[in-house]
Amino acid sequence: DQQVKQNSPSLSVQEGRISILNCDYTNSMFDYFLWYKKYPAEGPTFLISISSIKDKNEDGRFTVFLNKSAKHLSLHIVPSQPGDSAVYFCAASSNYKLTFGKGTLLTVNP
Amino acid sequence: SAVISQKPSRDICQRGTSLTIQCQVDSQVTMMFWYRQQPGQSLTLIATANQGSEATYESGFVIDKFPISRPNLTFSTLTVSNMSPEDSSIYLCSVAGFSGTSGSNEQFFGPGTRLTVL
Repeated sequence: DQQVKQNSPSLSVQEGRISILNCDYTNSMFDYFLWYKKYPAEGPTFLISISSIKDKNEDGRFTVFLNKSAKHLSLHIVPSQPGDSAVYFCAASSNYKLTFGKGTLLTVNP
Repeated sequence: SAVISQKPSRDICQRGTSLTIQCQVDSQVTMMFWYRQQPGQSLTLIATANQGSEATYESGFVIDKFPISRPNLTFSTLTVSNMSPEDSSIYLCSVAGFSGTSGSNEQFFGPGTRLTVL
């Protein structure tokens, strides 16, 4: 049973536009949600996180929104840049143990 | 953030042998974890490396197959024992930090060890 789902395996956007990556979860016990960016042959790079008691967290071009009633979160990247092209993983935390989604490949076209 | 290094970065091993992967952090951390990413899959938690005591394993992972050591707050090892081709994966260590000012629950990953078992 997949507790964290990223239903879009890929997303393509134009440079300068907004990228919206989505994630759904099933377990109400998750206390934090995190987004990671991953390049091939590298470990995941932490981007941004949000506590389950908040609905928005912003850091520069990255904003994460949490809709707890819908068990849904999203990562917004504005403006998107070609260097943002990577696989993005959503992860949910329970006592620091992370459950990952399968990832979304973001391609930002110049 | 923390700087995390892993050794080796990659290896090709024969079936039936064992490989020990090292994880070194540049600062003392409370929480250390080991994850696995099989080809085409997401990351899966193997175990929590506990300093001074036995590791805590997730469902589907056992100590005989993945013995873990954590002698201090900056270092841990994961051994993949009696390897088979199904063990071919990227193995990653991670450390958990808490930023009190931002309220975030950041967790940082090492670069990973790419293991191929023939």
